Amino acid sequence: EAGVAQSPRYKIIEKRQSVAFWCNPISGHATLYWYQQILGQGPKLLIQFQNNGVVDDSQLPKDRFSAERLKGVDSTLKIQPAKLEDSAVYLCASSLDVLSRQSGTDTQYFGPGTRLTVL
Amino acid sequence: TQLLEQSPQFLSIQEGENLTVYCNSSSVFSSLQWYRQEPGEGPVLLVTVVTGGEVKKLKRLTFQFGDARKDSSLHITAAQPGDTGLYLCAGHPGSNYKLTFGKGTLLTVNP
Repeated sequence: EAGVAQSPRYKIIEKRQSVAFWCNPISGHATLYWYQQILGQGPKLLIQFQNNGVVDDSQLPKDRFSAERLKGVDSTLKIQPAKLEDSAVYLCASSLDVLSRQSGTDTQYFGPGTRLTVL
Repeated sequence: TQLLEQSPQFLSIQEGENLTVYCNSSSVFSSLQWYRQEPGEGPVLLVTVVTGGEVKKLKRLTFQFGDARKDSSLHITAAQPGDTGLYLCAGHPGSNYKLTFGKGTLLTVNP
C-alpha cells in the first residue's frame, strides 16, 4: 500500500515570496491533515479536512496561509507571503474514517514532509 | 503553555542500556499515542493507550498509561542504535478530537 506522498521535499525561498506544497493521501482515506513542525517542537495542526470540507482550521494563519482539497483527494497548502518564522517542516497526514477519530483511536499516517527554509 | 510535557528533552545512551521517557499533563486525555520520528521522515505511530493503567508491550518497548489518564511513559529495554529517533507523545485532551503533540524526546543510542 502506498503511503502519503508529499512534494517538494525541500524548498528554499526568500521572505515575502510565495510557496505551495502538495499532498496525496493514502487511497480511501477521508481525513487529511496539515501540520507545521518547527525545529525542536512537535507537530502543530494547521488544518483538517474531511473529504473536501474543512473540519478545523483554527490554528491556520489565514492572512497568509490557505489550503484546499477540491476533489476530496489531493490537497495543496500555500503560503503567501512567507515570513522568516514560517521556516519549518510541513507534514501531511491522512486517516481512514470519522468514527475512529471520534473515539480517539484513529491512526494518522504521515508523509515525509516538506522542509521549508525562508531566508 | 505546553499541554503535553515530555522529559527528558534529549537522551544519549549506550547500546544495551535501559531508558524511560515521560509524557505528563495536567489535563485528562481520552487516549494517548506514542510516535517515533526519524530524520527526514514523518512520525510513525507505535502504540495507542486508551484505558487508565493500561500497559502495552511492543517487543522491547513498554508503554504505560497513568491511572488518571494524565500521563504516560515509554520504557525501552536493551536499547539498540535502531531505536534512535524523536519520540513524540500525542493525545486528544478531553472531548477534543484534535491531536495535540508534545515537543518530543530526542533519543540517541550509541553503538
